[in-house]
Amino acid sequence: GEDVEQSLFLSVREGDSSVINCTYTDSSSTYLYWYKQEPGAGLQLLTYIFSNMDMKQDQRLTVLLNKKDKHLSLRIADTQTGDSAIYFCAETPPGGKLIFGQGTELSVKP
Amino acid sequence: EAGVVQSPRYKIIEKKQPVAFWCNPISGHNTLYWYLQNLGQGPELLIRYENEEAVDDSQLPKDRFSAERLKGVDSTLKIQPAELGDSAVYLCASSGTSGRADTQYFGPGTRLTVL
Repeated sequence: GEDVEQSLFLSVREGDSSVINCTYTDSSSTYLYWYKQEPGAGLQLLTYIFSNMDMKQDQRLTVLLNKKDKHLSLRIADTQTGDSAIYFCAETPPGGKLIFGQGTELSVKP
Repeated sequence: EAGVVQSPRYKIIEKKQPVAFWCNPISGHNTLYWYLQNLGQGPELLIRYENEEAVDDSQLPKDRFSAERLKGVDSTLKIQPAELGDSAVYLCASSGTSGRADTQYFGPGTRLTVL
């Protein structure tokens, strides 16, 4: 079946690193995505990783993929208060749709 | 380049009333998606269009929900009649490549409240 799981909450101090974890089920997913949603807004694409990669770095963001364990993580370096939001990971089973997790609410304290 | 446009941003209606949402995708994007996002949940796909053809509507409750994309650009999602449980955010997304889950770009959503 298709299922994506994330922890619901994460709280960090400004300047620390944040690590948001995700597990997925569909091993045929070609891409795995991270989206950010601020209150009252739509989903903003943050980054994605192709399934044959195990790491991707994009400025303060690092994505790690463990395909064997179907585990995806997003690390945000030097977390700022503006990073406070809900972060969704998504897998892409065949058929063209995204399967989202429940989202992790990141709270950044000054 | 303009992003995905949705209107209205907010809608409050009484139960049993009809409601419609409109979406204009990113220019040149052939694939358009409607997602439903309940409070505290991730979005779930309702329907996917490739050009004007609905290629996946398996999750669309067809007794009350309908959608159209007549000229392969704009799309409308309708609910008739609305129920209390339809209160949610309705998100539209578009992508540039059909046939697989290419990168999807989302609009701001329409927040529906059914009283």
